[in-house]
Amino acid sequence: DIQMTQSPASLSASLEEIVTITCQASQDIGNWLSWYQQKPGKSPQLLIYGATSLADGVPSRFSGSRSGTQYSLKISRLQVEDIGIYYCLQAYSAPLTFGSGTKLEIK
Amino acid sequence: EVQLVESGGGLVQPGRSLKLSCAASGFTFSNYYMAWVRQAPKKGLEWVATISTSGSRTYYPDSVKGRFIISRDNAKSSLYLQMNSLKSEDTATYYCARWHTIGYYYFDYWGQGVMVTVSS
Repeated sequence: DIQMTQSPASLSASLEEIVTITCQASQDIGNWLSWYQQKPGKSPQLLIYGATSLADGVPSRFSGSRSGTQYSLKISRLQVEDIGIYYCLQAYSAPLTFGSGTKLEIK
Repeated sequence: EVQLVESGGGLVQPGRSLKLSCAASGFTFSNYYMAWVRQAPKKGLEWVATISTSGSRTYYPDSVKGRFIISRDNAKSSLYLQMNSLKSEDTATYYCARWHTIGYYYFDYWGQGVMVTVSS
């Protein structure tokens, strides 16, 4: 199985700050990676697919990038509504595997 | 507007069975793969099952293979998850999700989730 090592586990940042979350894949997964945001008490929502493509309706302050087997989600200017837990997902091979999540809070 | 509405959750004893349903609307259900993803209390997300558009192909992780069965009724725009031989570790919120398979693969829409508690 492909392991997705996500870091940090939690993050506290100030409004307007730049925030970066990373996922390290245990093997090459190409661009078969997506990112999800789960706001408190809600279901997950798609942010990024294909490692770098922004999903419809997602603010442009969110972006995804890839360097080898390391994938990053960046929030360019943190807003209050961005609090929640973020997950990566690899869809290169079964079983599909999620990262362990990053809990984002406002400082 | 795409909507996925799960139902059928509740409290069930270990070893018993439960069937979840997901009613889909706002898109042509028969054109999409569908899936179930679960989340144990205060834990992360875990993929549970995926089914092809016709229902002829199904996929499971080892943790539920042989116990869970995913199925669909395209005429009713409904997805199902039959859960047998339930264990305490199956306690979770179960989400129905649409699996996008054109180009890259990802979950593009999620339901609100339904809670399943396995306890005596």
